[in-house]
Amino acid sequence: DVKVTQSSRYLVKRTGEKVFLECVQDMDHENMFWYRQDPGLGLRLIYFSYDVKMKEKGDIPEGYSVSREKKERFSLILESASTNQTSMYLCASRIAGGPNNEQFFGPGTRLTVL
Amino acid sequence: AQSVTQLDSQVPVFEEAPVELRCNYSSSVSVYLFWYVQYPNQGLQLLLKYLSGSTLVESINGFEAEFNKSQTSFHLRKPSVHISDTAEYFCAQNTGGFKTIFGAGTRLFVKA
Repeated sequence: DVKVTQSSRYLVKRTGEKVFLECVQDMDHENMFWYRQDPGLGLRLIYFSYDVKMKEKGDIPEGYSVSREKKERFSLILESASTNQTSMYLCASRIAGGPNNEQFFGPGTRLTVL
Repeated sequence: AQSVTQLDSQVPVFEEAPVELRCNYSSSVSVYLFWYVQYPNQGLQLLLKYLSGSTLVESINGFEAEFNKSQTSFHLRKPSVHISDTAEYFCAQNTGGFKTIFGAGTRLFVKA
């Protein structure tokens, strides 16, 4: 059974802290994605990676960075957390080869920045 | 800019009644459309997808979606809903690259 796991379900951090969100997939997928989900806005793409060590900015990259040193792991980093980064963060992976391939999602991390 | 519009933010419906969740996508040369479902406290999972060919796409749990090119719509329907269908539903579009555009979501609330 395919699986995408995220390191925490709930996380509470303080303004200015550095925050790491980890995502691991066991499907040998090339593509990985980080989204944030906010009520009424759906999912917005923060960053994606089409292969190991490769990364591209999504629609809302400001205040975030990513790291992909191994194929199975894609990390999202908030260099200095701010209250407007309080949100649900979803990681997803997808096999390469075409836009018709579905994405597989992790359960999400609900981050609260105080 | 590409966009996906879900016309209803919330849809309350009684159990065993029919339901339609509406979605309009951006016209493009290549269109790949998806419906994802998110149950409470879970990530998204694929419900069904349209690639090409038949305009009617069915899922294993009774949902179906109809691709309408002239109206740029991909509405999701189910003839008889269950309490367990209560969830948030997202329509999504990929036009050939890495990015998938998601709609804002529709919360389906099934009442007994």
